[in-house]
Amino acid sequence: QKEVEQNSGPLSVPEGAIASLNCTYSDRGSQSFFWYRQYSGKSPELIMFIYSNGDKEDGRFTAQLNKASQYVSLLIRDSQPSDSATYLCAVFPGNTGKLIFGQGTTLQVKP
Amino acid sequence: EPEVTQTPSHQVTQMGQEVILRCVPISNHLYFYWYRQILGQKVEFLVSFYNNEISEKSEIFDDQFSVERPDGSNFTLKIRSTKLEDSAMYFCASSKEGQGTGELFFGEGSRLTVL
Repeated sequence: QKEVEQNSGPLSVPEGAIASLNCTYSDRGSQSFFWYRQYSGKSPELIMFIYSNGDKEDGRFTAQLNKASQYVSLLIRDSQPSDSATYLCAVFPGNTGKLIFGQGTTLQVKP
Repeated sequence: EPEVTQTPSHQVTQMGQEVILRCVPISNHLYFYWYRQILGQKVEFLVSFYNNEISEKSEIFDDQFSVERPDGSNFTLKIRSTKLEDSAMYFCASSKEGQGTGELFFGEGSRLTVL
């Protein structure tokens, strides 16, 4: 069974701090990795995707991928209260057409 | 900005009734999906659809479920005989490219409550 694991949190950080969200996956053949943000009662919204080992930066967000360790992370710099949401890690295993989601980490950014 | 639209936003039904959830994907997208999220649980894949046929379905997507693209714009999910455990938020999504290489755009969801 292919799994994507995240700590459900909540992760609480003060405004302006760096929030670090982590995700591990079980299928070593996974090819594509995604971070979605989901506000309460709303649909997932794609923030970042990463395919290659290393870092990928987009504004205040940095995705990090380590395929050897089967580990994906999302860093949010200068966290804002509006970043408070659940962050879903999702993995495309590659031999299937379905995106597999983790249970999400709830982030709380306190003013 | 183009978006995926879903109707209804909330449907309440009795167990055993048929339900149709409707979606209008983004117009130039080629791949369509249904996911669901039971309250407090993970987002789960149900089915993907490409070139007017199902390309993949999960073990959740049993004979009670069907999908259809009846015209050039709508994409529907039908549940033939609803069960209590079908209560969930159902998300439609679309992408320009296949799921592993493209960005999925999700609709706002249809909340199904089965009594």
